Amino acid sequence: GAGVSQSPSNKVTEKGKDVELRCDPISGHTALYWYRQSLGQGLEFLIYFQGNSAPDKSGLPSDRFSAERTGGSVSTLTIQRTQQEDSAVYLCASRPDRDSSYEQYFGPGTRLTVT
Amino acid sequence: DAKTTQPTSMDCAEGRAANLPCNHSTISGNEYVYWYRQIHSQGPQYIIHGLKNNETNEMASLIITEDRKSSTLILPHATLRDTAVYYCIVRVDRGSALGRLYFGRGTQLTVWP
Repeated sequence: GAGVSQSPSNKVTEKGKDVELRCDPISGHTALYWYRQSLGQGLEFLIYFQGNSAPDKSGLPSDRFSAERTGGSVSTLTIQRTQQEDSAVYLCASRPDRDSSYEQYFGPGTRLTVT
Repeated sequence: DAKTTQPTSMDCAEGRAANLPCNHSTISGNEYVYWYRQIHSQGPQYIIHGLKNNETNEMASLIITEDRKSSTLILPHATLRDTAVYYCIVRVDRGSALGRLYFGRGTQLTVWP
């Protein structure tokens, strides 16, 4: 079946502009996660959704970052007034809602470049 | 979540077993050991996880020591496509912690012909 999809695959934006990144999780997955990976670094957790609510948003680095999820499906990560340090690959993952299964399925990521 | 320590890089000949170690000496009783890998320019891929017993699936085997302070991921017959960064993660699977994965730097495994 279809995996996690993200769009756009690449985004170049000027410093100070706002950007929106989209994630389409695997159908039926109730849990959704956002991570980011800076060049040469490991993954950094940003936010976790269970359904439409976010019980853990502790990884968002500043109030310029926000995320929402509607209909228990698509999620949008918004970065306002982008800065050069926001340049990274933003990864989305989803997880099936089964007690015996905790693996997360990752999308291909959105590469964000702030110039 | 407990911290993990992995070697920065390892090499393996194609067709041979790749044994990737991970230390997690501060692991607590309810924390699971997870392994993911990330092939260049792709999102991470789940491999296997375990609590205290050894586990095996179609991709790999996971050997956890009796004291649970370390584990080894085994790829029994490595191929060139197994070249990737391998992440060992220790995590509690409950409540609001049922979410975040803490990825360290991982081990860059290079499989050579």
